Amino acid sequence: TQLLEQSPQFLSIQEGENLTVYCNSSSVFSSLQWYRQEPGEGPVLLVTVVTGGEVKKLKRLTFQFGDARKDSSLHITAAQPGDTGLYLCAGGGNSGAGSYQLTFGKGTKLSVIP
Amino acid sequence: DADVTQTPRNRITKTGKRIMLECSQTKGHDRMYWYRQDPGLGLRLIYYSFDVKDINKGEISDGYSVSRQAQAKFSLSLESAIPNQTALYFCATSESRTGELFFGEGSRLTVL
Repeated sequence: TQLLEQSPQFLSIQEGENLTVYCNSSSVFSSLQWYRQEPGEGPVLLVTVVTGGEVKKLKRLTFQFGDARKDSSLHITAAQPGDTGLYLCAGGGNSGAGSYQLTFGKGTKLSVIP
Repeated sequence: DADVTQTPRNRITKTGKRIMLECSQTKGHDRMYWYRQDPGLGLRLIYYSFDVKDINKGEISDGYSVSRQAQAKFSLSLESAIPNQTALYFCATSESRTGELFFGEGSRLTVL
């Protein structure tokens, strides 16, 4: 079973601060996705990274896939209250049955205080 | 209108009752999924279907069953609900092997 560990589990910061959220595994993934979930809603895909060492930027959010494709990070610059939510990473790979499967981390709950 | 619609959004029921959660999608995706979300446990896969004739068990299928009535419809049933099935349930769809998921808004189920 592939496991994804996210850290920290909870993060509360002031508006304008920077932060980094981590997603780590001992397993190799063919792709890594990041989702954001707001209260009362389903998760929404932010980004997919597929190449080891890949870096993608989405406005103030920077996503990086580790060189060995076992870990990923999400860095937010100058956090805003609208960034508040649950951030989930999900690793993609083939299951033992041969079909493609996503494994989710438990999430990082971010609160940005105005 | 949402691309992935779940009904009901909220349901309170009693132990032993049969419950059905329904999901419909307008995205035209072949692949559909049911996940369960619990605080501190993240999202766990219950069942998934890659087309109308394909049903597969996920990580936590015990106590659940599904039906893929059409490409656009995928329902989740709890034949005899128990309190530890109290959770937030999500339906999701995907288009390709990369597995990028599009989620519904969730169905909150409470079993007393």
